[in-house]
Amino acid sequence: QVQLQQWGTGLLKPSEALSLTCAVSGGSFTDYYWTWIRQPPGKGLEWIGYVDGRGVSKYNTTLKSRVAISLDASRSHFSLDLYSVTAADTAVYFCARGRKYSSSSRWRYYFDSWGQGTLVSVSS
Amino acid sequence: QSVLTQPPSVSAAPGQRVTISCSGTSSNIGNNYVSWYQQLPGTAPKLLIYDDDDRPSGIPDRFSGSKSGTSATLDITGLQTGDEADYYCGTWDSSVTSGGVFGTGTRVTVL
Repeated sequence: QVQLQQWGTGLLKPSEALSLTCAVSGGSFTDYYWTWIRQPPGKGLEWIGYVDGRGVSKYNTTLKSRVAISLDASRSHFSLDLYSVTAADTAVYFCARGRKYSSSSRWRYYFDSWGQGTLVSVSS
Repeated sequence: QSVLTQPPSVSAAPGQRVTISCSGTSSNIGNNYVSWYQQLPGTAPKLLIYDDDDRPSGIPDRFSGSKSGTSATLDITGLQTGDEADYYCGTWDSSVTSGGVFGTGTRVTVL
């Protein structure tokens, strides 16, 4: 049974960089899309992006200029870096294991395991 | 941003049925598979339905998914107090700004 355990800095000042790490245990690393998702207080889920098992990343276009998701397969973890944060980046951040593949030109993309979530607050 | 539209809330008495809709476009729901997630208060979301209508092992058959055109639906039958939660749909969007997308979320209240 795969488990995702995440950690990182919880309180930031505007313009600083957010950095979170998610450790994966109990499963293969190469066949999945390792994803970050966030949820502002009282609001819905927002997809941030993923890194696949080969280390190739894809990002939400609204965050693309400030975000980097990387993979360290040797240590079975992946990371999120979000630069130049503002109060609008205050949210609970979740890591998740994504499954993504296509059949008949239709994509399947869903998240079957999640980390516990980390509240990141941005305040001066 | 959420590009899939859900009703903000639905409610029903214990034992009854609720239906949650998720409306999208041809670039997302219309041509890709839909998943559904349950988020109990203060916890991470949990996968309920994938590939439009499949359930992971351990998810009771009271939860079912369907899709027609650019809309998807989650049905919960035999409603229980433990089903009080937020529910989100999700899929892949294949437009020029391709990526994962979620619904706006629906709060289910058991009366």
